[in-house]
Amino acid sequence: EIVMTQSPATLSVFPGERATLSCWASQIVSSNLAWYQQRPGQAPRLLIYGASTRAPGIPAKFSGGGSGTEFTLTISSLQSEDLAIYYCQQYNSWPFTFGPGTKVDVK
Amino acid sequence: EVQLVESGGGLVQPGGSLRLSCAASGFAFSSYEMNWVRQAPGRGLEWISYISGRDSTTHYADSVKGRFTISRDNAKTSLYLQMSSLRAEDTAVYYCARKYSYGLSPLDVWGQGTMVTVSS
Repeated sequence: EIVMTQSPATLSVFPGERATLSCWASQIVSSNLAWYQQRPGQAPRLLIYGASTRAPGIPAKFSGGGSGTEFTLTISSLQSEDLAIYYCQQYNSWPFTFGPGTKVDVK
Repeated sequence: EVQLVESGGGLVQPGGSLRLSCAASGFAFSSYEMNWVRQAPGRGLEWISYISGRDSTTHYADSVKGRFTISRDNAKTSLYLQMSSLRAEDTAVYYCARKYSYGLSPLDVWGQGTMVTVSS
């Protein structure tokens, strides 16, 4: 099983600032990496797939990068609606595994 | 509108059984692979089961293998999860989720979830 790790566990950012989240896979997953946003009380929402492709309807403020085992999600110009937990997930091999999440707080 | 709506959650005693349903609408259900993902209270996401679109190939997480069974009825555009020998650690919100495309792809549509509580 591929183990996903994320850092930091919590990130506090002022409105308008940039947030950078990191995700690592214990094995190479190529670019088969997705990022999801889960706002409080809501279901997860797909943000990024293929490590760097935004899902339909996702604003350009969200960008993904990396390949192999190291990945990043950048949220530019953070706003209050971006308060959420962000999960990475590898879909390179079964079982598809999620990282523990990064909670983004807006100061 | 593409939509997934789960139902069937509730309170069940340890060792008991429960069947979850997920009603799909707004897309060609039989053409999509489907999954169940769960989230224990205050915890992260855990993928637990997958089923293919037509030949019903399945995969399970080790944590539920042998106890849970995923199935689908394409005529009714519905996905199911039969859960048996339930344990306290199965307490979670259960989401059904659509796989974006065939092959290696993420989960692009999620339901709102249904809560399962295993407790005496």
